[in-house]
Amino acid sequence: AQSVTQLDSQVPVFEEAPVELRCNYSSSVSVYLFWYVQYPNQGLQLLLKYLSGSTLVKGINGFEAEFNKSQTSFHLRKPSVHISDTAEYFCAVSDGDYKLSFGAGTTVTVRA
Amino acid sequence: DAGVIQSPRHEVTEMGQEVTLRCKPISGHDYLFWYRQTMMRGLELLIYFNNNVPIDDSGMPEDRFSAKMPNASFSTLKIQPSEPRDSAVYFCASNTGVYNEQFFGPGTRLTVL
Repeated sequence: AQSVTQLDSQVPVFEEAPVELRCNYSSSVSVYLFWYVQYPNQGLQLLLKYLSGSTLVKGINGFEAEFNKSQTSFHLRKPSVHISDTAEYFCAVSDGDYKLSFGAGTTVTVRA
Repeated sequence: DAGVIQSPRHEVTEMGQEVTLRCKPISGHDYLFWYRQTMMRGLELLIYFNNNVPIDDSGMPEDRFSAKMPNASFSTLKIQPSEPRDSAVYFCASNTGVYNEQFFGPGTRLTVL
């Protein structure tokens, strides 16, 4: 099974500033990569996914992520955050057996 | 579509009691997953089903936990007897088995006193 490391547990950021959340996974032949967001007291919602093709993936709410196979990374970015982006973000990986391995999560707190 | 539906949203019970959590997956989704989320252990996959059949229950922590899926639109996760360390948020998720995009329910917050 894959292991996923989210390098930052907490990321405080000011409104309208950029944010980057880092995710690394254990190597494999091929993987499917996901970022999910969890708002307070809610379930997880898919932000974006990488299955194949272009390594730059665009998702909802202005987020994007870049797949880097050589560095086994899938970092999430947003050029300008809003207060409403305050949430917990999870990186997840699958090597195709229908099971997702999740990282520990990164809590993003956006301040005015 | 209403999305994945879970009930109850909150459950408070006393140690030793039986707890049953319920899940209705999205219609047409033939994979169903049960997860547990705690501060200490994060998100853990407990069990998943394909076409109502349990495929992998290696994440079920103990024999006190059991899960069933009697039909394509309903699944239960049962804990008997419950213990305080079972306190967590339990999520149900479903997908079509294509590219593993899972749709999550809102979760059940379980507190065992």
